[in-house]
Amino acid sequence: SQQGEEDPQALSIQEGENATMNCSYKTSINNLQWYRQNSGRGLVHLILIRSNEREKHSGRLRVTLDTSKKSSSLLITASRAADTASYFCATDALDSSYKLIFGSGTRLLVRP
Amino acid sequence: DTEVTQTPKHLVMGMTNKKSLKCEQHMGHRAMYWYKQKAKKPPELMFVYSYEKLSINESVPSRFSPECPNSSLLNLHLHALQPEDSALYLCASSHTSGGRNEQFFGPGTRLTVL
Repeated sequence: SQQGEEDPQALSIQEGENATMNCSYKTSINNLQWYRQNSGRGLVHLILIRSNEREKHSGRLRVTLDTSKKSSSLLITASRAADTASYFCATDALDSSYKLIFGSGTRLLVRP
Repeated sequence: DTEVTQTPKHLVMGMTNKKSLKCEQHMGHRAMYWYKQKAKKPPELMFVYSYEKLSINESVPSRFSPECPNSSLLNLHLHALQPEDSALYLCASSHTSGGRNEQFFGPGTRLTVL
């Protein structure tokens, strides 16, 4: 399977703390994306990082990419209860620019 | 308008029923997608339409039949489904060029097959 792995599978933190989740993938990529999904809802695109970029910021989000290790991390700083959701990384597939290969996801719980 | 809409939100159907899921976007995206998602799992790609033509079918059983009537609409026709087809069905859309594939997702249809 091309599916990436994410860890941890689940993460529980206190409001105000930082949350870090990691993604590993198996093949060469053009870019890597992170998505958020609130329970039972659609996915929301958070950030895209190209293969020639090492770090990207968007508000309280910081994404890093290490193509030599085929891994990425998503850091959410100063977490809020509203950040409670599942987070998925997604990479483009080798055989199609339309396909996204999603990681297994991290379920984040931010306790008030 | 940066929204993808899906109807219905919930659907319960028997194994002999025929029903359809609908998806609409007005962002000018020319790629549209159907995904199936089981609980606590990532979305699984089912179909991709590009410029209203089916470009990817991920070996989906024929009881699922997609249709793209125009560049804004995407349907998924359901017939003779099995209980294991119960899942959240997500529609998404994206641009087709530029080397970036950010996808915009609808809220999904929660399907239960009895």
